[in-house]
Amino acid sequence: EPEVTQTPSHQVTQMGQEVILRCVPISNHLYFYWYRQILGQKVEFLVSFYNNEISEKSEIFDDQFSVERPDGSNFTLKIRSTKLEDSAMYFCASKVDNTEAFFGQGTRLTVV
Amino acid sequence: DQQVKQNSPSLSVQEGRISILNCDYTNSMFDYFLWYKKYPAEGPTFLISISSIKDKNEDGRFTVFLNKSAKHLSLHIVPSQPGDSAVYFCAARARNYGQNFVFGPGTRLSVLP
Repeated sequence: EPEVTQTPSHQVTQMGQEVILRCVPISNHLYFYWYRQILGQKVEFLVSFYNNEISEKSEIFDDQFSVERPDGSNFTLKIRSTKLEDSAMYFCASKVDNTEAFFGQGTRLTVV
Repeated sequence: DQQVKQNSPSLSVQEGRISILNCDYTNSMFDYFLWYKKYPAEGPTFLISISSIKDKNEDGRFTVFLNKSAKHLSLHIVPSQPGDSAVYFCAARARNYGQNFVFGPGTRLSVLP
């Protein structure tokens, strides 16, 4: 069964460092998302991507964040200068059209 | 601004009984609702959805009911099994406000053997 895959499963980074989280969405999907969940809190929308551009982003997705789909298969989230409060589980998701989104297993980002 | 609310942070149910998880929303533009299940250290897994043109959708042991006038939906699990123990998230999408999903805070369901 096709699935969304994310790498790495756990990333530890120093505050101020850049980090790139990687996702391979399901191959025929058209919409791509990043969500995050800070420990003990709810799942929060970060950004959606469609037709090679950002279609929507939340207040969390400030200038420190960027997304790319560099080669038609990978979908990456970059945090330019990480802060302690960026520590969270980051989930990538994809969907075909106006249906449910399928989520990856997540990347646990720990900023120290 | 909590557009999707799940007012019960946790729920315990005996195995074999019915689990009812509730969700309320405030945005009348929401037209598509989903339930996701999440185990620790895993991503949310899609369970069942319902469009605003329906009031019920059933898939095996899972049934979702939608009451648009009350802006309320519920997930029924019958019969509940220990493997159903997880955090359940209600999510909603407003078609006219983009394609992202707004998640509720989740309800932790514990099914006791």
